[in-house]
Amino acid sequence: ETGVTQTPRHLVMGMTNKKSLKCEQHLGHNAMYWYKQSAKKPLELMFVYNFKEQTENNSVPSRFSPECPNSSHLFLHLHTLQPEDSALYLCASSQAFPGQGNSPLHFGNGTRLTVT
Amino acid sequence: DAKTTQPPSMDCAEGRAANLPCNHSTISGNEYVYWYRQIHSQGPQYIIHGLKNNETNEMASLIITEDRKSSTLILPHATLRDTAVYYCIVRVAGSQGNLIFGKGTKLSVKP
Repeated sequence: ETGVTQTPRHLVMGMTNKKSLKCEQHLGHNAMYWYKQSAKKPLELMFVYNFKEQTENNSVPSRFSPECPNSSHLFLHLHTLQPEDSALYLCASSQAFPGQGNSPLHFGNGTRLTVT
Repeated sequence: DAKTTQPPSMDCAEGRAANLPCNHSTISGNEYVYWYRQIHSQGPQYIIHGLKNNETNEMASLIITEDRKSSTLILPHATLRDTAVYYCIVRVAGSQGNLIFGKGTKLSVKP
């Protein structure tokens, strides 16, 4: 149990589908993140939320739409994805931005997404 | 951005100490060094971090050189469950402190 729960663990979707990934953290943190991990590539930061406000969008295509209704929940809405979007999508949280204190990231175990 | 350099892979015998090096020669004075690991099919797991002094917790020890240009993560008694990719990361300036992961070191602990 990492304190960060992601659902579903696995998702297969067609290119015309609309789906959502969910992340919930039980750690009382105020910053949440979406990362993408493609095969044989380093983790790529996608979005950052701090106190429910988006503070970073790392040039992510608009077919990925994040939502952060409160500091404990984070969603990633997916629509008209491409096969190259298949990857492990990881959610993380922290008490404050890492490096500005001693607040490491806590990750969930990810959603393995396959786009067919 | 302070970048890190790690060997792509290392082997370690079970029960022995695993010493994982990291070079971060362009690190700034207020940047922390963080270590994470990722076991297959799981999310990254925080291990330890430090600024200047050596640090120890229940998982590992972190040794940072006096000039802060390199560090070593030490797993004192490696087990098979420590087989993972280990990431050495420093804070990225100008991105509100978000962590950027490189390729890491694939540590294989062997019986």
